[in-house]
Amino acid sequence: GAGVSQSPSNKVTEKGKDVELRCDPISGHTALYWYRQSLGQGLEFLIYFQGNSAPDKSGLPSDRFSAERTGGSVSTLTIQRTQQEDSAVYLCASSPGGLAGAYEQYFGPGTRLTVT
Amino acid sequence: AQKITQTQPGMFVQEKEAVTLDCTYDTSDQSYGLFWYKQPSSGEMIFLIYQGSYDEQNATEGRYSLNFQKARKSANLVISASQLGDSAMYFCAMRGPPGAGSYQLTFGKGTKLSVIP
Repeated sequence: GAGVSQSPSNKVTEKGKDVELRCDPISGHTALYWYRQSLGQGLEFLIYFQGNSAPDKSGLPSDRFSAERTGGSVSTLTIQRTQQEDSAVYLCASSPGGLAGAYEQYFGPGTRLTVT
Repeated sequence: AQKITQTQPGMFVQEKEAVTLDCTYDTSDQSYGLFWYKQPSSGEMIFLIYQGSYDEQNATEGRYSLNFQKARKSANLVISASQLGDSAMYFCAMRGPPGAGSYQLTFGKGTKLSVIP
């Protein structure tokens, strides 16, 4: 079946502009995660959605970052007033809900964001 | 708080040889899970292997095995019979206890493995 998809694959934006990154999780997966990978670094957790529960936003680095998940499926990560330090690859992952989600996270190909 | 440490920024291995990638972790949780992911130059994160903290046997998946030493808090990845396609970044990651809600992963900084023909 189809895996996690993300769009766009690459985004170049000017400092100060807003950007939106999209994630389509695997059908039926109720849990969705956003991670950020800066150059040469490991992945950094940003935000987590599970079904209709309130999201876990504990990893968001500033209030310029926000995310929503509509209808329990597609998610959009929005970065307002982008800064050069926001340049990174943004990865989305999804997993089944419940205990099964403890063992599997499937990652999308990522969106490479470059802020000039 | 959870922490993953990968002390080898880069490793070289001869094709067909075995290689061990180091990973140590720190957590106050009694129940946790450990993962290894492979990230080729194309960027996707590929799940390799999982070890639960209560699993008594080391996990194995094909040419991958996880050398889990709980007392030492280490979870090294062993790749046997290296292939050129194994050249990639390898990340060790950890999640918290089942039932804790968010299974967000904490990642190490990765090890870049290069397989030499």
